[in-house]
Amino acid sequence: EVQLLESGGGLVQPGGSLRLSCAASGFTFSSYAMTWVRQAPGKGLEWVSTITGGGAYYTDSVKGRFTISRDNSMDTLYLQMNSLRGEDTAIYYCATYQQLVSFAYWGQGALVTVSS
Amino acid sequence: DIVMTQTPLSSPVTLGQPASISCRSSQSLVHSDGNTYLSWLQQRPGQPPRILIYKISNRFSGVPDRFSGSGAGTDFTLKISRVEAEDVGVYYCMQSKQFPLTFGGGTKVEIK
Repeated sequence: EVQLLESGGGLVQPGGSLRLSCAASGFTFSSYAMTWVRQAPGKGLEWVSTITGGGAYYTDSVKGRFTISRDNSMDTLYLQMNSLRGEDTAIYYCATYQQLVSFAYWGQGALVTVSS
Repeated sequence: DIVMTQTPLSSPVTLGQPASISCRSSQSLVHSDGNTYLSWLQQRPGQPPRILIYKISNRFSGVPDRFSGSGAGTDFTLKISRVEAEDVGVYYCMQSKQFPLTFGGGTKVEIK
């Protein structure tokens, strides 16, 4: 059974940093591109970042502040978030990504709250 | 960036009746490889999203056959043939033709 488990969320002050992790199991992690999608309270889905064999992609609003990475030996995906702003407050979901199927498997999400 | 526009915003439906959601993209979603990368996702209340349909009309594993997708180019439709109580939630279209990946604003399906 495919499982994705996010961790590392919490309350952080504006300008602060946080690192999210997504532990994967039940599939060959290294064979999949992975992505982060976020959802602000009461809002829709917003793509944040994807890491593929060819590189990493980011939505404009997080470029230069967020870094996606992965450790295939640990079957874990990361999102390093720096210079956090109030508008980054959201539930952050990790998901598998394949262009053909888009997001086949999702985690339960990690809540990030940016507030003083 | 490709803008995805969904209508309606909300769809009150009687149990057992059909529902239909439209999605329009600001440019064609036909990739140079010939595929059209349009997916539909469902998000039930308090749950993470899940994939329903990919590549316009392909149901993902385990998705009931009352869900169907259609369309081409820039105009797409998700249909639920007979709405059940478990179908309540928000439905999103999304494109994976190119980065940045983009979602529609969502359509809330609720029971009348």
